[in-house]
Amino acid sequence: AQKITQTQPGMFVQEKEAVTLDCTYDTSDPSYGLFWYKQPSSGEMIFLIYQGSYDQQNATEGRYSLNFQKARKSANLVISASQLGDSAMYFCAMRALSGGYNKLIFGAGTRLAVHP
Amino acid sequence: DGGITQSPKYLFRKEGQNVTLSCEQNLNHDAMYWYRQDPGQGLRLIYYSQIVNDFQKGDIAEGYSVSREKKESFPLTVTSAQKNPTAFYLCASSTGRGDEQFFGPGTRLTVL
Repeated sequence: AQKITQTQPGMFVQEKEAVTLDCTYDTSDPSYGLFWYKQPSSGEMIFLIYQGSYDQQNATEGRYSLNFQKARKSANLVISASQLGDSAMYFCAMRALSGGYNKLIFGAGTRLAVHP
Repeated sequence: DGGITQSPKYLFRKEGQNVTLSCEQNLNHDAMYWYRQDPGQGLRLIYYSQIVNDFQKGDIAEGYSVSREKKESFPLTVTSAQKNPTAFYLCASSTGRGDEQFFGPGTRLTVL
């Protein structure tokens, strides 16, 4: 079965420090994609970063990087130099093929709180 | 500016009533999606559509219906058959080729 697991319901980090949010996935498809989204208290989902299963290098987007360990089926999000505005829910998602169509499977999320 | 709009932002419904949530996109995306989010939880897929006049049930389609008569629009109807409709509803779109989905601001539905 295709599944995303985020084991950290909540995380705290000091401003300007780095933080790692964990994500593990389960799929038997050789081709898949992994996404991270941020959800502030306002509710909208903001796309952060993407990693394809065949990508040789870890994805990076500004302060966000994805620590992709294919053998361990993990795709952890690393936020460097945390800012107060990073406080939000973070969701890991996996692209899955179902009936010939692409859809996203989401984890339960991790709530990040950045302290001054 | 390109994007996805959802209306209304807040919606209140009496038990037994059907309500329709609007979702419009001007990104020229082929695929559109509806998700439900309950407090403290992730997103669950209700329905999705890859092209006009075609849509598929997601993981929790019971009590919901959709239509896709235009590429830009993908309205969701929450019927009286949905036993627990109070939730946050998010609409999304993508090119359909497996890249990221772009989300609207959401509609918060409360059943009174």
